[in-house]
Amino acid sequence: QKEVEQNSGPLSVPEGAIASLNCTYSDRVSQSFFWYRQYSGKSPELIMSIYSNGDKEDGRFTAQLNKASQYVSLLIRDSQPSDSATYLCAVNPPGGSARQLTFGSGTQLTVLP
Amino acid sequence: EPEVTQTPSHQVTQMGQEVILRCVPISNHLYFYWYRQILGQKVEFLVSFYNNEISEKSEIFDDQFSVERPDGSNFTLKIRSTKLEDSAMYFCASGRTGYEQYFGPGTRLTVT
Repeated sequence: QKEVEQNSGPLSVPEGAIASLNCTYSDRVSQSFFWYRQYSGKSPELIMSIYSNGDKEDGRFTAQLNKASQYVSLLIRDSQPSDSATYLCAVNPPGGSARQLTFGSGTQLTVLP
Repeated sequence: EPEVTQTPSHQVTQMGQEVILRCVPISNHLYFYWYRQILGQKVEFLVSFYNNEISEKSEIFDDQFSVERPDGSNFTLKIRSTKLEDSAMYFCASGRTGYEQYFGPGTRLTVT
């Protein structure tokens, strides 16, 4: 059973702080990793993708991947109340495209004004 | 910015009835997916579709389910005989490369 694990939270940070969200995955050969943001009652919105070890930055977001530790994280700098949402980690297995995403249960983030 | 669209936004049906959920993927995307999310649970993969055929399907996607791309723009999910446990949000997603997937707003299916 391929699993993606996340702390469910809730995680609360003050406005302007760095929010750190973590995810581990069980399938060592996973190749593609994604972070989605899901507001309550809405659909998942892709915010970051990462495919190789190291850091990838996009605006206030930084994704970090460590395949040896089977660990992927998302840092949100200068957190804003509008960042309050559930963040979903998703993993894509190898073997070509059009593969399923396996989602974690999500971490609920609250940014306090 | 182009978006995936889905209709209807909410569908109520009686147990045993057939439903068709409709999706219009982003126009230059080639890969199409259906996922579902039961209230309070994880997003679960149902099926992926590429080059007019199913690429991959999950255990959930049994004989009750089918997908179709009837024309150049629509992508549909049919549930032949709905059960109470089919009540969920159904998300369509599409992608240009087969890796990044962009989700539509979802259809809330309620089976009574």
